[in-house]
Amino acid sequence: QKEVEQNSGPLSVPEGAIASLNCTYSDRVSQSFFWYRQYSGKSPELIMSIYSNGDKEDGRFTAQLNKASQYVSLLIRDSQPSDSATYLCAVSNLNGNQFYFGTGTSLTVIP
Amino acid sequence: DGGITQSPKYLFRKEGQNVTLSCEQNLNHDAMYWYRQDPGQGLRLIYYSQIVNDFQKGDIAEGYSVSREKKESFPLTVTSAQKNPTAFYLCASRRTSGSPEQYFGPGTRLTVT
Repeated sequence: QKEVEQNSGPLSVPEGAIASLNCTYSDRVSQSFFWYRQYSGKSPELIMSIYSNGDKEDGRFTAQLNKASQYVSLLIRDSQPSDSATYLCAVSNLNGNQFYFGTGTSLTVIP
Repeated sequence: DGGITQSPKYLFRKEGQNVTLSCEQNLNHDAMYWYRQDPGQGLRLIYYSQIVNDFQKGDIAEGYSVSREKKESFPLTVTSAQKNPTAFYLCASRRTSGSPEQYFGPGTRLTVT
């Protein structure tokens, strides 16, 4: 079983809609959770970190964490065509010595 | 400006040649990583280093070698023993205290023919 699972997509949403990206993980010692955005041909860029259960908001982005269900999600409100990218979920243990990436979900925002 | 640099951006080599990819960071990060990404695939860990003069194999280390002589630098050599070297290579770094998030360089796209 992979440590981090994501639906590969593609996920398509119309401009202005909410995009919901999901991620599950298998290691119960995971303590830190991250979302990276990767544009085609570019390197991953960290957009959100979350460490405790609940929601964390940053602009149009909201990360949600549920450690009991081993589930982390990313909501993108008012989606824009510039949000079209692959979104990578990553998890790590407390000190970062074990760091696992999902394979990513491809998001397309349709104008 | 602080950041991670990788050079070159694009690299073309003939089969059977060794090639070295550069990764430099001025973020004062202790840990550095090399990943490989193939089209439509996730990131696969090649090697990582938590401290100068020490490094560990990742999931796909065969055919690769690294060195960590300086904190700022973590070069990756793709040897002729690597069967399928054509890929996008990403270097990352992080602090070993505080928040554990990794930050990536811009990547090197290697094509071997």
